[in-house]
Amino acid sequence: DQQVKQNSPSLSVQEGRISILNCDYTNSMFDYFLWYKKYPAEGPTFLISISSIKDKNEDGRFTVFLNKSAKHLSLHIVPSQPGDSAVYFCAAKRWEKLTFGTGTRLTIIP
Amino acid sequence: DGGITQSPKYLFRKEGQNVTLSCEQNLNHDAMYWYRQDPGQGLRLIYYSQIVNDFQKGDIAEGYSVSREKKESFPLTVTSAQKNPTAFYLCASSSGHSSYEQYFGPGTRLTVT
Repeated sequence: DQQVKQNSPSLSVQEGRISILNCDYTNSMFDYFLWYKKYPAEGPTFLISISSIKDKNEDGRFTVFLNKSAKHLSLHIVPSQPGDSAVYFCAAKRWEKLTFGTGTRLTIIP
Repeated sequence: DGGITQSPKYLFRKEGQNVTLSCEQNLNHDAMYWYRQDPGQGLRLIYYSQIVNDFQKGDIAEGYSVSREKKESFPLTVTSAQKNPTAFYLCASSSGHSSYEQYFGPGTRLTVT
């Protein structure tokens, strides 16, 4: 049972445009959500997070939106840069454990 | 220079052999985690430890064992009972208090033939 889903395995965006990555979850007990970025053969690096009591968190070019009623979160990257090309994972926390989605491969086209 | 180290980067073993993956952190984090990643899949939790001398099974613990004798170290043993051991293994740590972010090591690619 996949509790955290990223339904788009890949996404291509023109450099300078907005990238929107989506994530859906099923467990309403998740209380914290995180986005990670991963390059091939490396460990994921933390990008941005949001508590379940908020609906938006912004950090530079990255903004995460949370819609609790829809059990949906999204990561907006604007403007998109070539260095943003990577696999992005969303993760949801319950107690001390994180549950990860399957990832979306973002490709920024110069 | 604080961080998490995993060694080796690449590891090759014959089927039927146990193998131990190393994970060390100097971040003074209480909690440590082991995940595996397979192609096209997310990270799946194998084992985690919130404190020294204590650890819990994750979602896919069968065929794996761990120990947590020191705060800095959380080695993972892939036993011969693990049916599909070939994967990319990632170790992570977190402070376990108000910060929920987990910080990951560079990973170990294990290939069993």
